[in-house]
Amino acid sequence: DQQVKQNSPSLSVQEGRISILNCDYTNSMFDYFLWYKKYPAEGPTFLISISSIKDKNEDGRFTVFLNKSAKHLSLHIVPSQPGDSAVYFCAASEGWGFGNVLHCGSGTQVIVLP
Amino acid sequence: EPEVTQTPSHQVTQMGQEVILRCVPISNHLYFYWYRQILGQKVEFLVSFYNNEISEKSEIFDDQFSVERPDGSNFTLKIRSTKLEDSAMYFCASRPPGQYIYGYTFGSGTRLTVV
Repeated sequence: DQQVKQNSPSLSVQEGRISILNCDYTNSMFDYFLWYKKYPAEGPTFLISISSIKDKNEDGRFTVFLNKSAKHLSLHIVPSQPGDSAVYFCAASEGWGFGNVLHCGSGTQVIVLP
Repeated sequence: EPEVTQTPSHQVTQMGQEVILRCVPISNHLYFYWYRQILGQKVEFLVSFYNNEISEKSEIFDDQFSVERPDGSNFTLKIRSTKLEDSAMYFCASRPPGQYIYGYTFGSGTRLTVV
């Protein structure tokens, strides 16, 4: 299932700077997009989501941008903090019905340097 | 904050044995899921469950897999005859009805090792 791709396996950023994580998808029927954060040996933690009727959603330090024509979304973390060091993965869903399936990217490891 | 609880955290089993992975979803959630992540790979959908029925399942979820909600609180994943390639982290998830803005809540996972 290569419908959701995160092409950068890792990203290093200085504390206080912006982290930008990218995600591309191929299925034009996807209309809900989510970002999750995962620490080792823990389950994914929901961060932020966006539906296809929007192009931006902001929640505190996290902003997700959606470019439907390019089938691309990104997550901005500003400012980056040491506790943000984790694997981030994007996920997409076609609809949000009771059977919906999250198609997940392979993740980007973020390392925030002090 | 409400949690999805999974037990055990780590299960080691011999090839060919049956295993049952247990989950307690958040109490007011109505939709339940199992996902898995093989080491170094992406998180993959296995099955969704609603109203005591499977809603969707992936190709991975073959006849060796089954799910059950036996008592209204637990949600279990059974693998009848485990194979080496079933070794993975298995995540249970649940979500409330309605808004996508709340996403899913995942449990902390069960690491299944088949030897």
